[in-house]
Amino acid sequence: GAGVSQSPRYKVAKRGQDVALRCDPISGHVSLFWYQQALGQGPEFLTYFQNEAQLDKSGLPSDRFFAERPEGSVSTLKIQRTQQEDSAVYLCASRNRGLNGYTFGSGTRLTVV
Amino acid sequence: QKEVEQDPGPLSVPEGAIVSLNCTYSNSAFQYFMWYRQYSRKGPELLMYTYSSGNKEDGRFTAQVDKSSKYISLFIRDSQPSDSATYLCAMSARGGNQFYFGTGTSLTVIP
Repeated sequence: GAGVSQSPRYKVAKRGQDVALRCDPISGHVSLFWYQQALGQGPEFLTYFQNEAQLDKSGLPSDRFFAERPEGSVSTLKIQRTQQEDSAVYLCASRNRGLNGYTFGSGTRLTVV
Repeated sequence: QKEVEQDPGPLSVPEGAIVSLNCTYSNSAFQYFMWYRQYSRKGPELLMYTYSSGNKEDGRFTAQVDKSSKYISLFIRDSQPSDSATYLCAMSARGGNQFYFGTGTSLTVIP
């Protein structure tokens, strides 16, 4: 597609529920990133894929967070046993080889109640 | 101390004014510097990308990097109401894939 697509746009989860957030990067983009943006804050790095390989997951806040990109295109960020502090906008971005900045999607706004 | 510091504002200016947005950072390894614009309920959109120190101009926007002072700026000339958004600075080290963002500065341009 023309841009990075994320779904759902909004997700309300009860505390303890598992959620899955989807990212469709720009077609052909090798690199894919997940960021978490809390209210009034800048995005914070979660994890990075190059094709299907997860090369950096240093930003994942706990082992409840898991990301995958099995075929090197679509990626899913899964959060198990959601907690209130997980409430944030989850942004996906992609980048092609040789290009500098990311292209971000519009994000998924997760609210844990 | 956060690696990137940015005054959150809010900043309110009249249409046509020159806007100056700034960030400071502590990591001397940062070599790539970016400015993103984020409208409400949208993802950040890349505005400017610079490498190392110097100036870069694109239309009404000028980005400046002073690595000796660890200070970057974005200037917006002839500001328009459509420039009303949150502006995020971001930076990364050479070979690094992770971007470090400031908290963002909220700008409102009043017609």
